[in-house]
This record gives sequence, structure tokens and C-alpha cells, in this order.
Amino acid sequence: EVELLESGGGLAQPGGSLRLSCAVSGFTFSNYAMSWVRQAPGKGLEWVSVVSASGSTTYYSDSVRGRFRISRDNSLNTVYLHMNTLRLGDTATYYCAKGTGQYQLLGSFDSWGQGTRVTVSS
Amino acid sequence: QSALTQPASVSGSPGQPITISCIGTSSDVGNYNLVSWYQQYPGKAPRLMIYEVSKRPSGVSSRFSGSKSGNTASLTISGLQAEDEAEYYCCSYVGTNALLFGGGTKLTVL
Repeated sequence: EVELLESGGGLAQPGGSLRLSCAVSGFTFSNYAMSWVRQAPGKGLEWVSVVSASGSTTYYSDSVRGRFRISRDNSLNTVYLHMNTLRLGDTATYYCAKGTGQYQLLGSFDSWGQGTRVTVSS
Repeated sequence: QSALTQPASVSGSPGQPITISCIGTSSDVGNYNLVSWYQQYPGKAPRLMIYEVSKRPSGVSSRFSGSKSGNTASLTISGLQAEDEAEYYCCSYVGTNALLFGGGTKLTVL
């Protein structure tokens, strides 16, 4: 059974930093791209970032580029989201999501974690 | 880039079919067969219902189908059931190494 478990969310001040983690099991992690998708309270879904299966390629949404960094450790079956220079608008539930097709970088997500909540507030 | 355009809400009676539209542009929905649809219940993670415009993952009811015409993608649910009441989101590759979601549609089963 595929499982994704996010952690690391919490309260941060504007300008602060957080690191989110997503530990996965139930599939060959190193064969799939992984993304982070967020959802502000009462709002819709927003794609944030993707890392390729090998970790060599990363892409970001315009809203986080230059502030967030995605990475993965295939030996630990874990993907990370390093969040810096946090803004009030980054407040959201952050989901990690598994790409549907092997080695497909940007398409759809067939498995999601339960989400971890990030609140940016002074 | 603005979100893909979805109706804020749709409704239907049990047993009826409903269609949710997702309007994009020739740079996203119209140019790539990488449209997906997600179902989300309140407080829960999204669930993939359709990918690559019309493909259905294993475990998803055959009542769910997807299609695309020009810059508009559509999700159709035939034989509406009470359990289908949820929020639905479309998503498309936008060609600049990014994905774009729609604003979401709240489906109410009357």
C-alpha cells in the first residue's frame, strides 16, 4: 500500500524558515517524481514544486521560486521542502504528492499525503 | 498565471448526469493532453479521478469520465450518487514546467 506522511509544519514568523518532510513507502520511490501542492484555508489547490525521480531536476511555481527549495533523499525515501523568507500568503496545508507515471515529471498525482499545516504569522 | 476556470458550483439529483467544465487556453489545456481531475472531501486529501484527459485510475468508478475539446476539458459523472458530493479540481500542464489547477467546483447532490 502506498503511503505518504508529511511532517514539519507549524507556526513560523514572516521572514522565517521551515523544512517540511514527506516519508513514503509502498512503491519504488526512486522511479517517481514528487511534488508539493498547497491549499490555503478555504481556498483551492496550488502546485508548488516538483523534483524528478533522480533529484537532478526541480521546478517551482512563480509564487515560491527563489524562496523554496525542493530536494529528495532516495536512500531514505523522503522528499523535502525547504521554505525560506516565509510570507503570510504561504499559510496553507502542504501536501506531498506522487507522480502518476514512472519518470514523468509533470502530469498528475495518484497518491497524496494527509497534509501538514503551515501558519505564517507574527 | 490565473487559475483554470471552473464553475464555482454545480448540482444534480441522484441518478442524473452532471458535467464540470475546465476552461484554459491554447497554452495549457488546448495544447497538452495532461489534464487531470481530483475529488476532495472537506478536510481530506485530494484523490485522482481522471488523468491524461480521459484515463481512469484503477479503483475509480466507471461513472467518472473525462474529455477535452479545444481549450475546455470536462469531467462527467453519470448516475450521480450522494457520495459524489465533494469539491472537484481540474489541473493542466502549462508548458512552462509548471502545473495549474482550476479554482474548484463544489458539487451538490440534491
